[in-house]
Amino acid sequence: AQTVTQSQPEMSVQEAETVTLSCTYDTSESDYYLFWYKQPPSRQMILVIRQEAYKQQNATENRFSVNFQKAAKSFSLKISDSQLGDAAMYFCAYRSKWGYQKVTFGIGTKLQVIP
Amino acid sequence: EAQVTQNPRYLITVTGKKLTVTCSQNMNHEYMSWYRQDPGLGLRQIYYSMNVEVTDKGDVPEGYKVSRKEKRNFPLILESPSPNQTSLYFCASGEIGTADYGYTFGSGTRLTVV
Repeated sequence: AQTVTQSQPEMSVQEAETVTLSCTYDTSESDYYLFWYKQPPSRQMILVIRQEAYKQQNATENRFSVNFQKAAKSFSLKISDSQLGDAAMYFCAYRSKWGYQKVTFGIGTKLQVIP
Repeated sequence: EAQVTQNPRYLITVTGKKLTVTCSQNMNHEYMSWYRQDPGLGLRQIYYSMNVEVTDKGDVPEGYKVSRKEKRNFPLILESPSPNQTSLYFCASGEIGTADYGYTFGSGTRLTVV
């Protein structure tokens, strides 16, 4: 079974600075999807960024980018120019390309942004 | 607006009193799923459905039931709630067979069982 590990329960960053959230996963599959979801205090789950495992190029969405290291099974999220609105719980998630049945989530990292 | 609608947003109930949390999506998605979120455990899948009348267990199905009689609706039923089912619940939907853009989530239901 696939597992997703987020080893940083809480992180903090100064406004306008850069922060990196870590995520590792365990799988025997070669093709899959990885996601980062944001959950602000409103508790709505918002998709931040996605990565397809067969694509070597790291995904980027505005101030959000990932460092995808397939061999190391690592998928970290970098937030540049942090803003107060980035304060949230961030979840890393994995889904097999062929098994739509389930997305496996990590336990989350709570990000605090300091003004 | 494309969305997943969950109701109620908050619910306090007593042990043993049957309850239903509703979930409806307007995107014609085949796939729907229920998750519960607990501190330190992340989101864990309860049940999922690949289409009408097709449902299956996730990782933590005990104490829950679901049904999928219509494509848009996927209610979660707690026949006899217990305090260990106090949690934040999310319904999610997605489209099968195309490039995976992740799930669309509902806004969550905070359930407290006393």
